[in-house]
Amino acid sequence: GAGVSQSPSNKVTEKGKDVELRCDPISGHTALYWYRQSLGQGLEFLIYFQGNSAPDKSGLPSDRFSAERTGGSVSTLTIQRTQQEDSAVYLCASSPGGADSYEQYFGPGTRLTVT
Amino acid sequence: GENVEQHPSTLSVQEGDSAVIKCTYSDSASNYFPWYKQELGKGPQLIIDIRSNVGEKKDQRIAVTLNKTAKHFSLHITETQPEDSAVYFCAATTQRGKLIFGQGTELSVKP
Repeated sequence: GAGVSQSPSNKVTEKGKDVELRCDPISGHTALYWYRQSLGQGLEFLIYFQGNSAPDKSGLPSDRFSAERTGGSVSTLTIQRTQQEDSAVYLCASSPGGADSYEQYFGPGTRLTVT
Repeated sequence: GENVEQHPSTLSVQEGDSAVIKCTYSDSASNYFPWYKQELGKGPQLIIDIRSNVGEKKDQRIAVTLNKTAKHFSLHITETQPEDSAVYFCAATTQRGKLIFGQGTELSVKP
């Protein structure tokens, strides 16, 4: 079946502009996660959704970062007033979200370059 | 805070040899330990995982072992093939929430 999809695959933006990154989870998966992968920091957790609620936002680096999920499906990660240090690959993962399901399946990522 | 250490950072083996990657975790409450394979330009792919109530799990040429007392877990790949070349990440979690990742191991399998 279809896996996690993310768009765009690549995004180049100028410093100070806002960007929106989209994630479509695997159909039926109630849990959704955003991570960031950069050369210096490895894979870092950003935020976790269960349904439309975000019980853990502890990884968002600053108040310029926000995320929402509507209809228990698609999620959007928004970065306002982008900075060069925001350049990274942004990865989304989804999980069935059931009582005994821990597995997270990743999308291909969005490579963000801030110039 | 929670931390996962992964070694080695790079590993080069001859085709057919075995490869072993080791991770240690800091949070004794961690109860789920997945391993991911990431190829260039792609997202991480879940290849095997283990839960804290199990000591070993095997799937064809891949096995994972867990030592809860020592707080470490390892990935073993036998009969390596060139297509096993990739970056491998271990991770740990204490809940159905965030994964804490190791720093990654770049595995190179030489034909």
